Amino acid sequence: DAGVTQSPTHLIKTRGQQVTLRCSPKSGHDTVSWYQQALGQGPQFIFQYYEEEERQRGNFPDRFSGHQFPNYSSELNVNALLLGDSALYLCASSMGQHNSPLHFGNGTRLTVT
Amino acid sequence: QQPVQSPQAVILREGEDAVINCSSSKALYSVHWYRQKHGEAPVFLMILLKGGEQKGHEKISASFNEKKQQSSLYLTASQLSYSGTYFCGTVSPGDSGAGSYQLTFGKGTKLSVIP
Repeated sequence: DAGVTQSPTHLIKTRGQQVTLRCSPKSGHDTVSWYQQALGQGPQFIFQYYEEEERQRGNFPDRFSGHQFPNYSSELNVNALLLGDSALYLCASSMGQHNSPLHFGNGTRLTVT
Repeated sequence: QQPVQSPQAVILREGEDAVINCSSSKALYSVHWYRQKHGEAPVFLMILLKGGEQKGHEKISASFNEKKQQSSLYLTASQLSYSGTYFCGTVSPGDSGAGSYQLTFGKGTKLSVIP
């Protein structure tokens, strides 16, 4: 049973560029949440997708957008990259209820130069 | 708002006990606990729900005071494998209508278990 998979594992971009990160949820999960984790910090909630809609959004600018596809996979897009966007981006899937554990992927390490 | 965890770091010898605390200023649906080892993804440990229901790990216990919006994670007879950073995640109502919620993580507690 495959867990949560994310691609790519590492990415280097230049300030001002755009990036797309991808996530396939664990089999049977219908909800995908995205988190940004800076070094030495806890994961910061970006947004959550359920039934192809953004169900909840954290305190991130509109440069951060996402999408969920009918097969429940998801993309995170970041436009106009800033140096401060350098972080580990984690995707977590769940069954969608607040009492459902999150299953995390190994993340995408984004470096903005 | 981000829950507050304490302590920020703790060093234990094998076999010793530790308590990690998590406090929120918001009304909560539930509290999650995760452990993250260096270079790895966070791994689920436990969920505590209103009414006292718990789901999770056999060897780790936790409590949830719903009135105070506080939770504590109890690590007993620590093993080397317990080392890592522990995050509490507090679940509060979202602002996007029915069914929406937000899971917000604290800054973490770094636990080091030494022989």
